[in-house]
Amino acid sequence: AQRVTQPEKLLSVFKGAPVELKCNYSYSGSPELFWYVQYSRQRLQLLLRHISRESIKGFTADLNKGETSFHLKKPFAQEEDSAMYYCALSVSYNNNDMRFGAGTRLTVKP
Amino acid sequence: DVKVTQSSRYLVKRTGEKVFLECVQDMDHENMFWYRQDPGLGLRLIYFSYDVKMKEKGDIPEGYSVSREKKERFSLILESASTNQTSMYLCASRDPGRGTEAFFGQGTRLTVV
Repeated sequence: AQRVTQPEKLLSVFKGAPVELKCNYSYSGSPELFWYVQYSRQRLQLLLRHISRESIKGFTADLNKGETSFHLKKPFAQEEDSAMYYCALSVSYNNNDMRFGAGTRLTVKP
Repeated sequence: DVKVTQSSRYLVKRTGEKVFLECVQDMDHENMFWYRQDPGLGLRLIYFSYDVKMKEKGDIPEGYSVSREKKERFSLILESASTNQTSMYLCASRDPGRGTEAFFGQGTRLTVV
């Protein structure tokens, strides 16, 4: 089965510093990759998806098929970015199921 | 606004009880999912359904079953609850098209005593 690995469980940066949350996946076909975010006491929600090549709240993520990675980046972290971030992978061959990584808790210190 | 609603926010059940977790979505999505969310383990897929009466096992189906008799409703059943099933359970729904967003319920915190 396809897998998603987020190597960092915790990540702490100071406000204004760059941040990178790592995501690697294992799937040999054409993947659909997403980043979801869960703020305190809120539902899990979509942050961005690779197919849109968009920037949301200053975050970007590039799919690197050679390295099978989809790292999330932001040049200047803000305190309101503190949250739990999950990388997710969906594959069409299996009826579009969706699997998530273990998550990274990002803390942005003032 | 897409709504995915889980029937209970908190549940406390006894070991051995049969437990039903209900999830309803109002956007006519074909795919529905049940995950459990545990610290350090992230979201683990229990079961998903890609159509009425159709289901696929996820990564941790043992001890669970599901039912999807109507498109909008997806139920998770713990046949005989055990303490190691104490967890946060999340339901999600999604259209199967490429790049489509999954919408999540508010979660059910289940405690088995």
